[in-house]
Amino acid sequence: AQTVTQSQPEMSVQEAETVTLSCTYDTSESDYYLFWYKQPPSRQMILVIRQEAYKQQNATENRFSVNFQKAAKSFSLKISDSQLGDAAMYFCAYRTSQGGSEKLVFGKGTKLTVNP
Amino acid sequence: SAVISQKPSRDICQRGTSLTIQCQVDSQVTMMFWYRQQPGQSLTLIATANQGSEATYESGFVIDKFPISRPNLTFSTLTVSNLSPEDSSIYLCSVEGNRGHEETQYFGPGTRLLVL
Repeated sequence: AQTVTQSQPEMSVQEAETVTLSCTYDTSESDYYLFWYKQPPSRQMILVIRQEAYKQQNATENRFSVNFQKAAKSFSLKISDSQLGDAAMYFCAYRTSQGGSEKLVFGKGTKLTVNP
Repeated sequence: SAVISQKPSRDICQRGTSLTIQCQVDSQVTMMFWYRQQPGQSLTLIATANQGSEATYESGFVIDKFPISRPNLTFSTLTVSNLSPEDSSIYLCSVEGNRGHEETQYFGPGTRLLVL
């Protein structure tokens, strides 16, 4: 079974600085999807960024980018120019590309604090 | 992405009772998912609900405890039965993305349940 590990329970960053959140996963599959979700306090879980494993190019969404290292099974999230609104729980998630198993497997999350 | 609403947003229930949570989507979707997020924890999939068929439950979750209905392509309910304090969690529904992004799941705002 696939597993997702987020080794940093908490991280903090100064406003306008850059922070990287770590995620590693374990799978025997060659094709799959990886996601980062953001969950602000008492608010909705929202998609930050997605990566398709067969694409070598790292995904980017404005200030958010990933460093996808397929061989190392690593999928870190970099947040540039951090803003106060970036404070949230961040979850890394894995999804197989095989049909019949559409569930997301989540890591335990990283709580990000942004200091003014 | 689809607009997803859940009712109720929160509730406080007595042990032994049941709570039914509704999930409404503004577009037709094939698959809907129900997740549980226990306090301070990550998300765990309870079941996958396809319209017109029985829900598929993950290991550790049973239909008698978590009956699910999926009467059409825009609506689903999750009932948490015979409540105990251990059922205090956030319950989230999610749906797959639109054509071309079916592997991505989008989440509703969640239902926060407290069992006394």
